[in-house]
Amino acid sequence: DSGVTQTPKHLITATGQRVTLRCSPRSGDLSVYWYQQSLDQGLQFLIQYYNGEERAKGNILERFSAQQFPDLHSELNLSSLELGDSALYFCASSVTGQPTSPLHFGNGTRLTVT
Amino acid sequence: QQQVKQSPQSLIVQKGGISIINCAYENTAFDYFPWYQQFPGKGPALLIAIRPDVSEKKEGRFTISFNKSAKQFSLHIMDSQPGDSATYFCAASRAGNNRKLIWGLGTSLAVNP
Repeated sequence: DSGVTQTPKHLITATGQRVTLRCSPRSGDLSVYWYQQSLDQGLQFLIQYYNGEERAKGNILERFSAQQFPDLHSELNLSSLELGDSALYFCASSVTGQPTSPLHFGNGTRLTVT
Repeated sequence: QQQVKQSPQSLIVQKGGISIINCAYENTAFDYFPWYQQFPGKGPALLIAIRPDVSEKKEGRFTISFNKSAKQFSLHIMDSQPGDSATYFCAASRAGNNRKLIWGLGTSLAVNP
């Protein structure tokens, strides 16, 4: 058990809708990352937060947004959903937020857009 | 732009055999090279990592070999077991704030009993 909790585990929604994915990092970890995993694209880094502040941005679409709250949990908001947004979304956390700090991944949220 | 190229995409090995996964990178400033292991239905987990000041690092049956001049690093799994069947990701980064891990596309390993 990585100590990272993601909810919900599964989400099925229709195109055009908006969903919120939630992540509680491992106790003591200050940094949270969001990744998208699809079969043909591997792990795509979306965004990183450290202690409530955005630290790094990856291939995150403008329809997606995220934030990290004072209690360090994070939410990823996906809006105007398209079929191509169907994927596994992982949250990971680390102590320092440095790339050399091991990432601890949750078990993901599987999003299906119909 | 794929800065870390991982091969093969999939690999089938017999129990007891050696599994070898290779990664090549472009940015000579990279100084941290981790491997993550992902089982079905789970998130990836750090398996082993290496810095460029050593050419090899071993942890149990898992070994990273690093070739700085060739800008390549590889994961060797000795005495492969069915329980090693998973997807393996290599990655690379530079140290420092605002630096990101650059990931390979993954290798799906199946170890036949």
